Amino acid sequence: EAQVTQNPRYLITVTGKKLTVTCSQNMNHEYMSWYRQDPGLGLRQIYYSMNVEVTDKGDVPEGYKVSRKEKRNFPLILESPSPNQTSLYFCASTRAGRGGYNEQFFGPGTRLTVL
Amino acid sequence: DQQVKQNSPSLSVQEGRISILNCDYTNSMFDYFLWYKKYPAEGPTFLISISSIKDKNEDGRFTVFLNKSAKHLSLHIVPSQPGDSAVYFCAASVEGAQKLVFGQGTRLTINP
Repeated sequence: EAQVTQNPRYLITVTGKKLTVTCSQNMNHEYMSWYRQDPGLGLRQIYYSMNVEVTDKGDVPEGYKVSRKEKRNFPLILESPSPNQTSLYFCASTRAGRGGYNEQFFGPGTRLTVL
Repeated sequence: DQQVKQNSPSLSVQEGRISILNCDYTNSMFDYFLWYKKYPAEGPTFLISISSIKDKNEDGRFTVFLNKSAKHLSLHIVPSQPGDSAVYFCAASVEGAQKLVFGQGTRLTINP
């Protein structure tokens, strides 16, 4: 089954304690992204990767890091989490659809709470 | 600056009637528009899209209309069914770019 998986699904942590949210896709997509969803703001892109070892900032990259050592994996790293990073996080992977539509396939989400 | 806006946070519609969800955008460089549907505890799933060279795209009960001069698009669902109750996100992109810019979302509730 084609899917994007994220782990953990729920995480409660404390300020300053480094954490990693993993993301994996089995569709051989080159493009992967991380988004955060906040009330009243919709989904905002944090980082994206166009291919292995190629990553770039999205709209809200502060406080986050990513890496892309393998095509299928795109972990999101919070080196020193802060309460304003409490949010719902989605990983997505992308194929070039018909007509250039950027249909993105999303993971189930990770709800992060930073105390 | 919110480039894609969904001004209605919620919408309630009777089962069997038409649901109309609206979306406005400000960036004239956008040339592809998409609607995503999201159920609780799940990730968004692609629903329907439209290129800026068209003004309408239909897929079963779902139709998206694009008015480029007004920078406005809408999603029509007819007839509405209880399973359509979800949050709907409008998104926009530029051809060839992977980045999607999302609106704030509209929570649609279909009442039996």
